[in-house]
Amino acid sequence: NAGVTQTPKFRILKIGQSMTLQCTQDMNHNYMYWYRQDPGMGLKLIYYSVGAGITDKGEVPNGYNVSRSTTEDFPLRLELAAPSQTSVYFCASSPRTEYGYTFGSGTRLTVV
Amino acid sequence: QKITQTQPGMFVQEKEAVTLDCTYDTSDPSYGLFWYKQPSSGEMIFLIYQGSYDQQNATEGRYSLNFQKARKSANLVISASQLGDSAMYFCAMREYQGAQKLVFGQGTRLTINP
Repeated sequence: NAGVTQTPKFRILKIGQSMTLQCTQDMNHNYMYWYRQDPGMGLKLIYYSVGAGITDKGEVPNGYNVSRSTTEDFPLRLELAAPSQTSVYFCASSPRTEYGYTFGSGTRLTVV
Repeated sequence: QKITQTQPGMFVQEKEAVTLDCTYDTSDPSYGLFWYKQPSSGEMIFLIYQGSYDQQNATEGRYSLNFQKARKSANLVISASQLGDSAMYFCAMREYQGAQKLVFGQGTRLTINP
């Protein structure tokens, strides 16, 4: 059972470039989330999804887009990368229960 | 800020007990409180969970959660600390209405000294 898989693990982008962070879960969880973690800080919610076809903004959505065409996949798109988007990105998923929040291993992104 | 961790850093001698503070704010009667450990390798490791309707404090091995609902606090207690406990610790809350988002505190960096 793979859990939540994030790719890539590391990436360096130049200012203005775009990329997609991939997130896949194999636990049939309805809820999926994207967080970013800046150095020495807690996690901040970027976007979330409560099921296929349904997404909504979190606390810090500017500069990002998401889609949820299947239950398994929840990719995060960065358009026109900026140095302020240098961070570690975590994807997470959960079933609609009071428990069971599973995190991916994270993607470390640097924008130069 | 819905989750507040007031201790940016703590230093503790090995084998001592340590308490990491967490206060929260919510109007939802149904919620859960979580503690996660983040070692230097970066992964998020779930430690312990407390539901708002749980009558007893949660325990998981050396970890216990001191839940004081009226004071809206959910402190993590680590007994007999070990060198491997050195890490960032995050308190988080999940309200069970709507999207059930997990909201994190700023974290406490715990260092265990030999």
